[in-house]
Amino acid sequence: EADIYQTPRYLVIGTGKKITLECSQTMGHDKMYWYQQDPGMELHLIHYSYGVNSTEKGDLSSESTVSRIRTEHFPLTLESARPSHTSQYLCASSWQGKVDTQYFGPGTRLTVL
Amino acid sequence: SQKIEQNSEALNIQEGKTATLTCNYTNYSPAYLQWYRQDPGRGPVFLLLIRENEKEKRKERLKVTFDTTLKQSLFHITASQPADSATYLCALPFSGGYNKLIFGAGTRLAVHP
Repeated sequence: EADIYQTPRYLVIGTGKKITLECSQTMGHDKMYWYQQDPGMELHLIHYSYGVNSTEKGDLSSESTVSRIRTEHFPLTLESARPSHTSQYLCASSWQGKVDTQYFGPGTRLTVL
Repeated sequence: SQKIEQNSEALNIQEGKTATLTCNYTNYSPAYLQWYRQDPGRGPVFLLLIRENEKEKRKERLKVTFDTTLKQSLFHITASQPADSATYLCALPFSGGYNKLIFGAGTRLAVHP
């Protein structure tokens, strides 16, 4: 089992609320990622980071933002949640290097009413 | 652009048989390919990696082949068990560099007793 944690596991929230999804890893990985996944669909990369103070947007446009102030912590924030944000959010991390084997957290299932 | 194709139809097999899943890709010559397992409501778990200069890789009951001419990887589970039931994802490094992965939508495997 990989040492990467996500909280909360489930979140039901009303429209317009600000939310932060937490992701932490204890493996010392430099690279971290956020993916969005709807049921039965592929993973879509929404944010990634190569290290502290480095963040990039992924292939899928997202209204969320991320920060990387510490190596082990990569939180994702939605300033104003909408029903279209309802999805599963998965955090992952990997070592720096030529081969990108990713270790995933258990995910956060977000429902915006 | 890169494209990964996995059979979207579920694969149903009897316990004890060999399951074979297919991953096809286009517009790309990846240095390696990975297979992940994903259980419902959980993050993917890394299973196997095969490099472009390897034709076959084994790990316990798992076997992966990589045909760079056909642009195809086959993933085999021998002596399948109901506990092998899950969705299996194929992943390739992003063509623009080593630091991101592109995931297929996955094939769901159901092993029946």
